[in-house]
Amino acid sequence: KNEVEQSPQNLTAQEGEFITINCSYSVGISALHWLQQHPGGGIVSLFMLSSGKKKHGRLIATINIQEKHSSLHITASHPRDSAVYICAGIFSGGGADGLTFGKGTHLIIQP
Amino acid sequence: GAGVSQSPRYKVAKRGQDVALRCDPISGHVSLFWYQQALGQGPEFLTYFQNEAQLDKSGLPSDRFFAERPEGSVSTLKIQRTQQEDSAVYLCASSRSLAGGLSYEQYFGPGTRLTVT
Repeated sequence: KNEVEQSPQNLTAQEGEFITINCSYSVGISALHWLQQHPGGGIVSLFMLSSGKKKHGRLIATINIQEKHSSLHITASHPRDSAVYICAGIFSGGGADGLTFGKGTHLIIQP
Repeated sequence: GAGVSQSPRYKVAKRGQDVALRCDPISGHVSLFWYQQALGQGPEFLTYFQNEAQLDKSGLPSDRFFAERPEGSVSTLKIQRTQQEDSAVYLCASSRSLAGGLSYEQYFGPGTRLTVT
């Protein structure tokens, strides 16, 4: 069964802290998304990666295929980073690339 | 440029009513996905289209759920005889086609929040 697990479920931190959100998944993934969802429901794709590391501004995403693990890091966190961060996998061999989502990490950055 | 749009943004239906939710994907995007997100949960896959062909409907929770994309562009998700457990945000996403095993990024619409009373 395709599974994606995220941790932690909830994370509260102070402004400026370095944030790490973890994602592990079952075998067979062809690509992994990190998504951001603000209150009100809109989802924005932050990264899609299948190997290595990607960086965009203060956000960094890494994936380790052998360990079936990905991390999302936020440097110099800011209150506007407060959102739900969702890891989602595309599993190969299934004939369609619908995403399998983790339950999300609810991040609150306090000023 | 125009992103994925969905309408209506909010829908309140009485139990037993039929509803139709619309998705306008990004122009030229071949793949279209519907997801259901219950309150406090991550989204779950419902169905997938490549052009007008519905290639995967394994996530549709019951035969009350029906999706179509007749001209390979706009898609409609229809729920017949709505039940309270259908209350959720329904998300649509589109992407360029799957080619040679390479997956493309999915772009999400704002969602339709359905409340069944």
